[in-house]
Amino acid sequence: SQTIHQWPATLVQPVGSPLSLECTVEGTSNPNLYWYRQAAGRGLQLLFYSVGIGQISSEVPQNLSASRPQDRQFILSSKKLLLSDSGFYLCAWSLAGEQFFGPGTRLTVL
Amino acid sequence: QKEVEQNSGPLSVPEGAIASLNCTYSDRVSQSFFWYRQYSGKSPELIMSIYSNGDKEDGRFTAQLNKASQYVSLLIRDSQPSDSATYLCAVPMYSGGGADGLTFGKGTHLIIQP
Repeated sequence: SQTIHQWPATLVQPVGSPLSLECTVEGTSNPNLYWYRQAAGRGLQLLFYSVGIGQISSEVPQNLSASRPQDRQFILSSKKLLLSDSGFYLCAWSLAGEQFFGPGTRLTVL
Repeated sequence: QKEVEQNSGPLSVPEGAIASLNCTYSDRVSQSFFWYRQYSGKSPELIMSIYSNGDKEDGRFTAQLNKASQYVSLLIRDSQPSDSATYLCAVPMYSGGGADGLTFGKGTHLIIQP
């Protein structure tokens, strides 16, 4: 069966610091991968998606970036965090439309 | 971009009753519809997918789709306190192809009263 991992589970970072969140998927090959953010009082917002290694599509202009260095690895990064980057970051995978979420990373920017 | 609307609630339902959650969407060409359950502090969990008009049943859950009215609902029979959560409705953002991200509603907060 497929499993999706995210780390860290929680993170507290100062404004202006860098960010790296990692997501890995087990038990499947060539999945579509997604990064979403859920901010307080707001719905889930798609940030990036990837259909293969090195292929990244961005949905929302922001100071975040994503990379997919391996088939089952998806990384979300920032060079300088803003207060508005606080939220619950969720990685998801899909093969045929249905999307399955990882446990998430709760990021607080102070 | 497609819009998905849900009543934020809270929707309070007595234990053992039927909980009815509703969702409307803006794009008439949407072909896939998903319901997720999200417990407080946890990630969303897919509970139902529906692609055709009519009803789809899975255990205590029934999804109902009416494409003409752009309306999808989720019924939970014999509601249990463990069903208390936020329920999110989602549709593919664009063409509905396999790589599409999803557009989510803001969710309905359901409370099952013992």
